[in-house]
Amino acid sequence: ELKVEQNPLFLSMQEGKNYTIYCNYSTTSDRLYWYRQDPGKSLESLFVLLSNGAVKQEGRLMASLDTKARLSTLHITAAVHDLSATYFCAVSGGKLIFGQGTELSVKP
Amino acid sequence: DTEVTQTPKHLVMGMTNKKSLKCEQHMGHRAMYWYKQKAKKPPELMFVYSYEKLSINESVPSRFSPECPNSSLLNLHLHALQPEDSALYLCASSRSKISGRVANRQIQETQYFGPGTRLLVL
Repeated sequence: ELKVEQNPLFLSMQEGKNYTIYCNYSTTSDRLYWYRQDPGKSLESLFVLLSNGAVKQEGRLMASLDTKARLSTLHITAAVHDLSATYFCAVSGGKLIFGQGTELSVKP
Repeated sequence: DTEVTQTPKHLVMGMTNKKSLKCEQHMGHRAMYWYKQKAKKPPELMFVYSYEKLSINESVPSRFSPECPNSSLLNLHLHALQPEDSALYLCASSRSKISGRVANRQIQETQYFGPGTRLLVL
């Protein structure tokens, strides 16, 4: 059974500093997704990572994938308040399996 | 048009009521999904429709009844719900749900989520 684990589950960030969220998954998968969810809102697709070594960047967020280690990271550069949200990674395994989510809070 | 729309945005219903949630997309996607999400938890898959046919039912109680009238529309009919069914119900769509022959795995395209319906059962 495919399992997806994120850590940390909560992250209180200071503006301007860098942070990393980790996403581990238990079995081989074709694709890994990162989604963002603001409180009470829907999920917004951020990145799709398709192959080993894939790296994608959008603004202050950069996602990478290591399929051999079954690990994806979401790196946040110089955190700003706008990044406060819950971030989910999800892995395809016949259906989409989500991690528990990481709740990010950026404080000035 | 890259949007998935859902109506209503909010719904309050009693345990004896019958109501329906609606989802629509005009992206030409042939796979559509219903998820349930409780507060502070990830979405949980309920149903998957592929080419208007139900392909996955995640052992959802029969008080939830999905319907896919055509490739653009997905409904979720609700009847005799319980207070614990209160949650955010998300619809999603993707281009397709294809079986990957080489690896014998299913390859999913990116799922695009609607804004959700916040349901409260009293």
